[in-house]
Amino acid sequence: GAVVSQHPSRVICKSGTSVKIECRSLDFQATTMFWYRQFPKQSLMLMATSNEGSKATYEQGVEKDKFLINHASLTLSTLTVTSAHPEDSSFYICSAQQDENSPLHFGNGTRLTVT
Amino acid sequence: GDSVTQMEGPVTLSEEAFLTINCTYTATGYPSLFWYVQYPGEGLQLLLKATKADDKGSNKGFEATYRKETTSFHLEKGSVQVSDSAVYFCALTYFNKFYFGSGTKLNVKP
Repeated sequence: GAVVSQHPSRVICKSGTSVKIECRSLDFQATTMFWYRQFPKQSLMLMATSNEGSKATYEQGVEKDKFLINHASLTLSTLTVTSAHPEDSSFYICSAQQDENSPLHFGNGTRLTVT
Repeated sequence: GDSVTQMEGPVTLSEEAFLTINCTYTATGYPSLFWYVQYPGEGLQLLLKATKADDKGSNKGFEATYRKETTSFHLEKGSVQVSDSAVYFCALTYFNKFYFGSGTKLNVKP
């Protein structure tokens, strides 16, 4: 089946630094990738949608200058949390979709802790 | 707008009990419907899907039927196992937009 690899699985960083999270579709080309943030009590919040070669579309309330998304190829999207603060600590999950009729395939998530 | 509502958890069952997790949706057209499962510390995995009315999705003993008349897609399993303990998300997609329910945590006790 379709596999999405997300790296790193866990990262601890100091306040003010930046962290990059990678999301790769390993055995299919993903026209669209999505980034989610999962809050306590499990609810998923869509942060942004990215299409290869174009600018990401951010959901309302998500700071595009803080959460930089790059979708450089059909198999790779990155999320960079810039100038991280403790309130950015969360579980970030990416997903990839081969085409608009396909289901989403998710990465295993990244636990970010900002100290 | 389009949305998904699923029953709040947690749901706690004994092993071999029957499971139902309710999911209803609101959509302006004819969406595809999905159930995803999230095991502790992991991302979401596609469990099953149905793309049109009366379709039944099934996988690993779980089933859900796309009911257009009741706008529902309830997840069922006849006999749960401890290994089924996870969070289950109902979702719909329509015009390349995905909408997720809030998730239902299932705890299965031996």
